[in-house]
Amino acid sequence: AQSVSQHNHHVILSEAASLELGCNYSYGGTVNLFWYVQYPGQHLQLLLKYFSGDPLVKGIKGFEAEFIKSKFSFNLRKPSVQWSDTAEYFCAVSPNSGGYQKVTFGTGTKLQVIP
Amino acid sequence: DAGITQSPRHKVTETGTPVTLRCHQTENHRYMYWYRQDPGHGLRLIHYSYGVKDTDKGEVSDGYSVSRSKTEDFLLTLESATSSQTSVYFCASQGAYEQYFGPGTRLTVT
Repeated sequence: AQSVSQHNHHVILSEAASLELGCNYSYGGTVNLFWYVQYPGQHLQLLLKYFSGDPLVKGIKGFEAEFIKSKFSFNLRKPSVQWSDTAEYFCAVSPNSGGYQKVTFGTGTKLQVIP
Repeated sequence: DAGITQSPRHKVTETGTPVTLRCHQTENHRYMYWYRQDPGHGLRLIHYSYGVKDTDKGEVSDGYSVSRSKTEDFLLTLESATSSQTSVYFCASQGAYEQYFGPGTRLTVT
C-alpha cells in the first residue's frame, strides 16, 4: 500500500520569502503525484500534478514541484510567497494506472504567510 | 473545476439519528469518492463508486453506507450518527487522473 509523509505540519513565512514543502511517498510502482491546496473554509483545489515526463512540474499561481524518483520525493516550491498563499497544502499519490485512482493524501502542511 | 455540489453544507444532528449527505456532479465522471477530513489525519477515503450501483469500501467505512442510482449523484449515509463522525465530508469525482472536490459538508453530531 502507498503512503505519503509531509514533514512540515505548520510553516510560517514572511511575504516574499521562498517556500519549500517536503513530501515523500512510499510505493513500489510508478505513481501519479499531486499537490492540492485548501484555502481557509474552501474545498481542495489542484495545484499541480505529475504523471510522467519532465520531473519539474509547473502549476498555478507560480508553484512548481520536482519529482525525484531516487528519493521518492515531490517537494513543492515557490520562489516568493504572498499573503494570499496562506492555506493548507496536501501532497497526494496514486498508482499510475487507469481506472479507479486510489489516492492517498498526506496529513497536510498549514502555511501562514505574514504580511 | 468540475461542477460538484454537496448538500447540505452544514448540519447538526443528534447521536443515533440517520444522516444522508448528497453529492452531485455535472461532468459525467464515472468514479466518485467520499472522504472525511479531520485535523492531523488529512483526507481519508470512506467509500468510492466506479459506476452506477457499483461501490466499494475505503479505509474508514465502518458506520457509513453509500448509494449511486445515477451517474451524477452519490449519497453517503450515516446509519446511526456518533460523535466520532463529527467531521468535514468531501465528495470528489475523477477526471482523467486527478480528482475534483466539492465544497464540503460540515457535520456536527451532538
